[in-house]
Amino acid sequence: EIVMTQSPATLSVSPGERATLSCRASQSVGSNLAWYQQRPGQAPRLLISGASTRATGIPARFSGSGSGTEFALTIISLQSEDFAVYYCQQYYKRWTFGQGTKVEIK
Amino acid sequence: EVQLVESGGGLVQPGGSLRLSCAASEFTFSSYWMSWVRQAPGKGLEWVAIIKQDGSEKYHVDSVEGRFTISRDNAKNSLYLQMNSLRAEDTAVYFCARTDDYGYFDCWGQGTLVTVSS
Repeated sequence: EIVMTQSPATLSVSPGERATLSCRASQSVGSNLAWYQQRPGQAPRLLISGASTRATGIPARFSGSGSGTEFALTIISLQSEDFAVYYCQQYYKRWTFGQGTKVEIK
Repeated sequence: EVQLVESGGGLVQPGGSLRLSCAASEFTFSSYWMSWVRQAPGKGLEWVAIIKQDGSEKYHVDSVEGRFTISRDNAKNSLYLQMNSLRAEDTAVYFCARTDDYGYFDCWGQGTLVTVSS
């Protein structure tokens, strides 16, 4: 099983600032990496697929980067609606998620 | 707009069974892989099962293999998860998710809660 490890577990950021979330795979997954946002009480929402391709309707302030085993999700100029939990997921070999990073208001 | 609506959750005793359903609309259901993903209370996401467009391929996470079975009825635009021999650790919100051919989950339902407890 490919294990996905996200860091940090919690990220405290002020509105308008930039947030960078990390995701590491236990073995190479190429670019087969997606990012999801989950707000409290809601279903997850796809943000990024293919490590860097924004899903339909996702604002340009969200960007994904990386390949192989190291990935990052960057959110520039955080808005109030961006405070949520973010998950990475690999789909190279079966399907596994990271444990999530909570982005909270500082 | 794509819609996925889960139903069938509830309280069940350990060892019991439950069948979840997911009704899909506003897209060509038969053209997509479909999946179930679960989330235990206060925990992260865990992929549970996936099924190919025509039902010819199915995969389940090891922890449910032999107990859960994913299926679909393309004529009814519906996805199912038959859950047998339920355990306390199966307690979770179960999400139905449309799955791209590459393997990411591009649309999600709101989920249905399954509680396994005596």
